[in-house]
Parts: sequence; structure tokens; C-alpha cells
Amino acid sequence: EADIYQTPRYLVIGTGKKITLECSQTMGHDKMYWYQQDPGMELHLIHYSYGVNSTEKGDLSSESTVSRIRTEHFPLTLESARPSHTSQYLCASSESDRDSGNTIYFGEGSWLTVV
Amino acid sequence: KNQVEQSPQSLIILEGKNCTLQCNYTVSPFSNLRWYKQDTGRGPVSLTIMTFSENTKSNGRYTATLDADTKQSSLHITASQLSDSASYICVVSDRGSTLGRLYFGRGTQLTVWP
Repeated sequence: EADIYQTPRYLVIGTGKKITLECSQTMGHDKMYWYQQDPGMELHLIHYSYGVNSTEKGDLSSESTVSRIRTEHFPLTLESARPSHTSQYLCASSESDRDSGNTIYFGEGSWLTVV
Repeated sequence: KNQVEQSPQSLIILEGKNCTLQCNYTVSPFSNLRWYKQDTGRGPVSLTIMTFSENTKSNGRYTATLDADTKQSSLHITASQLSDSASYICVVSDRGSTLGRLYFGRGTQLTVWP
């Protein structure tokens, strides 16, 4: 069982509001990721981090930002939400070494609806 | 272009039957291939991970095979149960970076009927 947690699970907010999606893991993993997934579609990487104070943008352009002040915490923020941001956001983590065959653990996801 | 294609897109089977899901990829250089199970509205859960040298990997009623020469993988589910209803996602990693870039398929939506 993965020890990675996301809050909120479901959120409906108005256009223009600021929102932060929380992600925490207690496995001591250095690598953390944020993916965006629309129904029936593949996951797209939007942000990742190798460790504290390390953040990079992923493949899919996103207006969101992330921070990594503590190893266990990787929050994602939307400064001004728009209906196009409606999607499922999945946080994940894995151990950090050169062997990329480590298991990637996913959180339960945060479903965001912007009206 | 690195891609991961899964088939079929959706599948309906009766409880107790077996089924096989397919994954073809063009990712290069290849590092490893993973199968994940994603229940509706939940995060993906890892089933198997296979590296270049592994041909098969089992996890209970799930058996994954890999043919690195033809760049194909399959996931075989034996004696299906209602709880197997989910999306099964094939994920391929390359060796091009420390991150181990992941390429996701769109998944096969499996429905098991009683």
C-alpha cells in the first residue's frame, strides 16, 4: 500500500480562484511528480522534482506552479483557475537512483472542476 | 516519435474467463515496461515491472510478457473477477535521462460481468 496522499479528492471552484492541491508522501522518496489526466486519456507529466528545492516543468505545458520545500510535500498551485483546468491531477513519487525501474506510487488523485 | 499503443481500447468479459491485453511501443532506448491497474476515480496501482532481460513477470492472477525484439507486451488475466474491472495502463520508460522518461498508453478499459 502506497503512503502518498492527496487533498482534496474533489473540488469545484469558480473561475479566477486560486487553488492549491496538496500531496504528501511518507516513504522518504526524493522523486515526486504531478500528472494531469483527462477521462479516457493518457497521463501527462506537468511537473517533477528530484528533491528539495528542485522543480522542473514536464512535457505538458501547464499554468500551474509547484514547490518542494520539504521532501515529503509537493503542492501544486493554480493562481487563477479557468474551465480549461478541469481535470484529474495525480501526484506520484519514487525512489531516486539511476535505476529507473523503481516502482512509482500514485496518490488517489484530485478531481478539479472549474465553473 | 516515442509512443505506446494499447489494444483493445475496451473489453467486456464474463466473470471467470481469461483475457489478454496488448501493448505495442516504439520507445527507444528501452529501459523497462510497467503495467498499472487504475480503478475508476482512483490513482494507478503497479502490477508488474519488466526490464529488457525479463520475458515474463507474474503477480497473482496477472501475468505480463515482454518481447523486446518486437517491442510488444501483453497482460494476461486469469479467472477474472468482478474487481478486475478497471483501466489497465501500459507504461514504458526510456534510458535517455536520469528521470527515466515515462510514456503512457491510453489504457484498456476492462469490464467483468457476473
